[in-house]
Amino acid sequence: ILNVEQSPQSLHVQEGDSTNFTCSFPSSNFYALHWYRWETAKSPEALFVMTLNGDEKKKGRISATLNTKEGYSYLYIKGSQPEDSATYLCAFPGTYKYIFGTGTRLKVLA
Amino acid sequence: NAGVTQTPKFRILKIGQSMTLQCAQDMNHNYMYWYRQDPGMGLKLIYYSVGAGITDKGEVPNGYNVSRSTTEDFPLRLELAAPSQTSVYFCASSYNTEAFFGQGTRLTVV
Repeated sequence: ILNVEQSPQSLHVQEGDSTNFTCSFPSSNFYALHWYRWETAKSPEALFVMTLNGDEKKKGRISATLNTKEGYSYLYIKGSQPEDSATYLCAFPGTYKYIFGTGTRLKVLA
Repeated sequence: NAGVTQTPKFRILKIGQSMTLQCAQDMNHNYMYWYRQDPGMGLKLIYYSVGAGITDKGEVPNGYNVSRSTTEDFPLRLELAAPSQTSVYFCASSYNTEAFFGQGTRLTVV
């Protein structure tokens, strides 16, 4: 089973703070890395699909970077808002399997 | 397109009862997955399928069975429900890119 790890497990920040968290994955046989945003009682929503070393994707105040050689991706949120509160999951489509990290639970305090 | 349809949304089972969680997708995706999400945890892969007639175990398969007789359907069977199977279950499908999720089934075993 592939090991996809995320850190930290949970994070509380104040409204307006910027924050970032990490996804670590096996660097061999890399195909793609996906980031999802997952709100309680809803199904995960795709944020980014990252495929190339050095990729940087942006969606509003959220951005992500990818380093396939060392096996990590960072997700950044600039100027966090209460509506950003969610669990952020990375996923690694290994051979036939789609493995999720444990997620980072973000709580933005107003 | 309906995407991924998962039923039921909620269910309470007594210990030892059986049930089948239904999952159907209309996107002609080859890959389908069943995950469970426990409180404070990420998504754990139960079973997956790479096409009709082909299924394989994920990280936490014990107590579950699946079948994939068609591309569209991927039901998950619990034969003898146990309290440890209380969880939220998500079905997903993918085609080498992002995964699409059903709305989840909240199962409680009492």
